[in-house]
Amino acid sequence: AQSVTQLDSQVPVFEEAPVELRCNYSSSVSVYLFWYVQYPNQGLQLLLKYLSGSTLVESINGFEAEFNKSQTSFHLRKPSVHISDTAEYFCAVSVGGGSEKLVFGKGTKLTVNP
Amino acid sequence: DAGITQSPRYKITETGRQVTLMCHQTWSHSYMFWYRQDLGHGLRLIYYSAAADITDKGEVPDGYVVSRSKTENFPLTLESATRSQTSVYFCASSESSPGAQYFGPGTRLLVL
Repeated sequence: AQSVTQLDSQVPVFEEAPVELRCNYSSSVSVYLFWYVQYPNQGLQLLLKYLSGSTLVESINGFEAEFNKSQTSFHLRKPSVHISDTAEYFCAVSVGGGSEKLVFGKGTKLTVNP
Repeated sequence: DAGITQSPRYKITETGRQVTLMCHQTWSHSYMFWYRQDLGHGLRLIYYSAAADITDKGEVPDGYVVSRSKTENFPLTLESATRSQTSVYFCASSESSPGAQYFGPGTRLLVL
C-alpha cells in the first residue's frame, strides 16, 4: 500500500531564513504528488501539485517542490519564509494507477519566528 | 462562489446519538471525500464517492454511513456516536482522477 512519510513533525525557523520540508513516498510507480497547507482552524488548501511534466513545480507564494523519482521524494522548499507561512503542511500522494484517492503524510508544523 | 461548505461547523453530542454532518459543493465535481483529522494520525479517509449513487469505503469506515443521492451533497452519518469519533471532519471534492482535492472548512465534533 502507498504510504507517505514526512520526516519532521515540527520545523522552527527564523523569518527570512530558507526552509525545506521533507516528504518521501513508498512507490515510484505512476504517482501524483501534492502539498497542502493548513492554517489554524481552517481546512486544507492546495499549495502545489505534480501530475506530469517538469519535475520542479512552483506555487504563487514562493514555495517550490521537486519530484525526485529515484529518491521517491517530493520535498517542499522556500528560500525566505515569512511569519505568515506559519502553518501545518501536508504531503499527499495518489494511491496509484490514476486513483482518485490520496494518502496523506502526518504533517509538518512550520513555525516562523521573528 | 461558495465552493465547498460544511455544516455544522461545531457539534457537541452524546454517546449513542445519531449525528449527520453535511457537505455541499457548488462545482459539480464528480468525486467527494470524507476525512477525519486526529493528532498523530494526520488525515484518514473515511468514505469517498466517484459519482451520485456510487460510494466506497476508505481507511476507517466503521461506525459511519454515507449517501450521495445528488452530485452536490455528500452527508456523513455517525449511526451511534462514540467518544473515539471525537475529531475534526473534513469534506473534499475533486473534479478528476487523479486530481487535486479541494477541502471544506471542517466540522469539529465532540462526543461526550
